[in-house]
Amino acid sequence: GAVVSQHPSWVICKSGTSVKIECRSLDFQATTMFWYRQFPKQSLMLMATSNEGSKATYEQGVEKDKFLINHASLTLSTLTVTSAHPEDSSFYICSVRVGAGIQETQYFGPGTRLLVL
Amino acid sequence: AQTVTQSQPEMSVQEAETVTLSCTYDTSESNYYLFWYKQPPSRQMILVIRQEAYKQQNATENRFSVNFQKAAKSFSLKISDSQLGDTAMYFCAFMKRRGAQKLVFGQGTRLTINP
Repeated sequence: GAVVSQHPSWVICKSGTSVKIECRSLDFQATTMFWYRQFPKQSLMLMATSNEGSKATYEQGVEKDKFLINHASLTLSTLTVTSAHPEDSSFYICSVRVGAGIQETQYFGPGTRLLVL
Repeated sequence: AQTVTQSQPEMSVQEAETVTLSCTYDTSESNYYLFWYKQPPSRQMILVIRQEAYKQQNATENRFSVNFQKAAKSFSLKISDSQLGDTAMYFCAFMKRRGAQKLVFGQGTRLTINP
């Protein structure tokens, strides 16, 4: 499977500031990455699909101006939480789409814990 | 829209026992994939096993196997000879084969393996 990293693993910020989270595919060139959000003791909710060289596709209810996604290269996608507020505190996870057709699978990064004070 | 349901919020077994986690899904698609992911306390999502819907043969990966019943839209995970390291949240997930290849997750089952 693919090896995916995220940075930072933990971030604490003040309300109103912006936070950037990086997702890197270390051994695979990924044209498509996904960003998820997970609240405590809950499942993963897809926020957006990140496509290399084009605009991200956001899920219904996700504010695109709040959660800016940039996928400028085949190995890096970034999620920027703009003007973060306490309700944005969550666990953010990225995944990489690997393979095509019958081999298609997603491999996940280790996640980023965001705490907004 | 596709939905995935895991009806067992929590399960607990003794080490070395066999445990089965349930998953049902709803879809009108005929071609799709099903997955089981494990999320241990570190919260790293780990792929456990995948199944292509067109395959009648159930997937197996060492101690992990699935019982895929396409007509019943059921996809259960069996863990044999359970180990302490199997303690984790387990998520069942669905992915369409065509169109947007998004994963749709169930609510998860918290599995605890007791020594």
